[in-house]
Parts: sequence; structure tokens; C-alpha cells
Amino acid sequence: NAGVTQTPKFQVLKTGQSMTLQCAQDMNHEYMSWYRQDPGMGLRLIHYSVGAGITDQGEVPNGYNVSRSTTEDFPLRLLSAAPSQTSVYFCASTSGGSYTGELFFGEGSRLTVL
Amino acid sequence: EDKVVQSPLSLVVHEGDTVTLNCSYEVTNFRSLLWYKQEKKAPTFLFMLTSSGIEKKSGRLSSILDKKELSSILNITATQTGDSAIYLCAVDNSGYALNFGKGTSLLVTP
Repeated sequence: NAGVTQTPKFQVLKTGQSMTLQCAQDMNHEYMSWYRQDPGMGLRLIHYSVGAGITDQGEVPNGYNVSRSTTEDFPLRLLSAAPSQTSVYFCASTSGGSYTGELFFGEGSRLTVL
Repeated sequence: EDKVVQSPLSLVVHEGDTVTLNCSYEVTNFRSLLWYKQEKKAPTFLFMLTSSGIEKKSGRLSSILDKKELSSILNITATQTGDSAIYLCAVDNSGYALNFGKGTSLLVTP
């Protein structure tokens, strides 16, 4: 099992550009989520999904868009990148049926917006 | 508004010391409290504490949940340089995502 796979690992964008961070999991988990981590801020929830076709906003959703067309994939789209979106992004998944509290994280994507 | 507060935010100790990290929370519909360790990359799971499991131990690490005080502590005994990391406390009140504290950055010096 690959677990949770995020791509790309690093990306540099110019202000105003758009891009998509990819996230895929092969554990058949129902729940997937995106977090951003800034120095001294812990992890903050951007968007989450409780199943294919169902998404909702987290704590810091502005400037981001998500969709969940399959159980496996949960891409995060930056519509018009801003320097404030410079951060490390983590995708995570967990099983709804046998929930143990453990989120499985991807390795992270470091995004710099100039 | 849900809140998870960790203290201290940073800590420097010598190898062999014992450390206690604190986490307090104010959330609706508390389900569980979790501790994660983060080194260079993604957080890795340490413990989950619930109403039916308020104390956990694994090697030199242990954690206790105080539901009355809405808090938890993470103890690390006989610290080693490999314990240097950010320790994250998170609370689950939804079943699908977590509310994280800002983390405690621990540095263990030789």
C-alpha cells in the first residue's frame, strides 16, 4: 500500500497563477481532508470530504476549491495564488467505519507564492 | 469557537531529562484527543485518548486525559536527541477531521 500520496512535493507560483495539489489514497478511506501548516500555527483545516461527491469547508477555506469525484482522489485547487498561501499543505485520510482517531497523512507539499 | 491550546510553545532540555507537554481544549461534542509527533515531514500518530481510555503508555512516552479539567499531558521520560520534534495535540469533535493546537517544539540537546 502506498497510503496517502501527494504531488507535487514542491511548487513555486507567481501571484495570480492557479494550480492543483493532487492527493490520492489507496486505503479505501471515506474521509479525506486538506490542512495547511504555517510556522507556529499548527495545522489548520482547509476543506474536508466525508465521501465521494460530498465536500465542506474547514477553518480556512478562502482561495481554495475541492472536489471528490472518487473515493481515492481529493485534489485541492488554488484559484488565484496569493503570497498568503505560501505554506506546507498536508492531505489526510481516515476510515469512517473503523475510526480510531488516526489520520493518515501524505508527505506534504511545500508551496511558495511569489 | 473550538480551541486547542498547547504549552509551552517551545522547550529545550538535556538528554535524560523528563518533560511534560500540556494541552487544553474547549470544543463542542468532544470525541477524542490525539497526540502526534512531527519531525521533518508529516505528523505521525502517538496516542488517542477517549472517555473510555484516559491513559496510554508506549515505552518512554505516556499520556493522560483529564476530562474534568479538559486537558491532557504528554510525558516523555529519559529524553533522547531523537525525541526532538514538534508535538501536536488535536481534538476530534466530528469524526472526520481534527482541531490542532499550535504544537510544542521540543529540542533535546546532548
